[in-house]
Amino acid sequence: NAGVTQTPKFQVLKTGQSMTLQCAQDMNHEYMSWYRQDPGMGLRLIHYSVGAGITDQGEVPNGYNVSRSTTEDFPLRLLSAAPSQTSVYFCASSAISGAGAEAFFGQGTRLTVV
Amino acid sequence: DQQVKQNSPSLSVQEGRISILNCDYTNSMFDYFLWYKKYPAEGPTFLISISSIKDKNEDGRFTVFLNKSAKHLSLHIVPSQPGDSAVYFCAASATNNDMRFGAGTRLTVKP
Repeated sequence: NAGVTQTPKFQVLKTGQSMTLQCAQDMNHEYMSWYRQDPGMGLRLIHYSVGAGITDQGEVPNGYNVSRSTTEDFPLRLLSAAPSQTSVYFCASSAISGAGAEAFFGQGTRLTVV
Repeated sequence: DQQVKQNSPSLSVQEGRISILNCDYTNSMFDYFLWYKKYPAEGPTFLISISSIKDKNEDGRFTVFLNKSAKHLSLHIVPSQPGDSAVYFCAASATNNDMRFGAGTRLTVKP
């Protein structure tokens, strides 16, 4: 059981480039989300989805797009990378949508924008 | 604004003693609180949670206490073990699933 899989694990981008961070889960979870982790800031919610075809913005959505065409996949797209987007990105999924749902996290993608 | 705060960036305790990690929140709409543990180069893993209708939840060596009037919760680990050394994140969520995390506390348990 792979759980939540993120690719790539590491990525270096030049300012202005675009890329997609991939996230897939095999637990048939309805709820998926993307976080970024920065020093001293904890994890901040970027976007989330409560099911296929439904997405919504989190705390820090600017500069990112998401789509949810299947239950399994929830890619995060950086439209035009900026140095401020240098961070570690985590994808998470949970079985139910609602307060207190245990989230399962991927191993993270470390992104550097130069 | 940071709605969930962990004011201690680090904590060091001796093996076998109690570890107490603290967390404060500002949003009274939060009704579930969770603790996650994170090892280097791994994603966070769920540890324990508590509903706002309770003031204590226990799971083996881990106990979470909630003081709603003070908007404060704490995680107690007894006895602490070297394998508990990790970063611990406090998180809070309301019914809309918007989960907010604290900045984390790095726990070091010395043998």
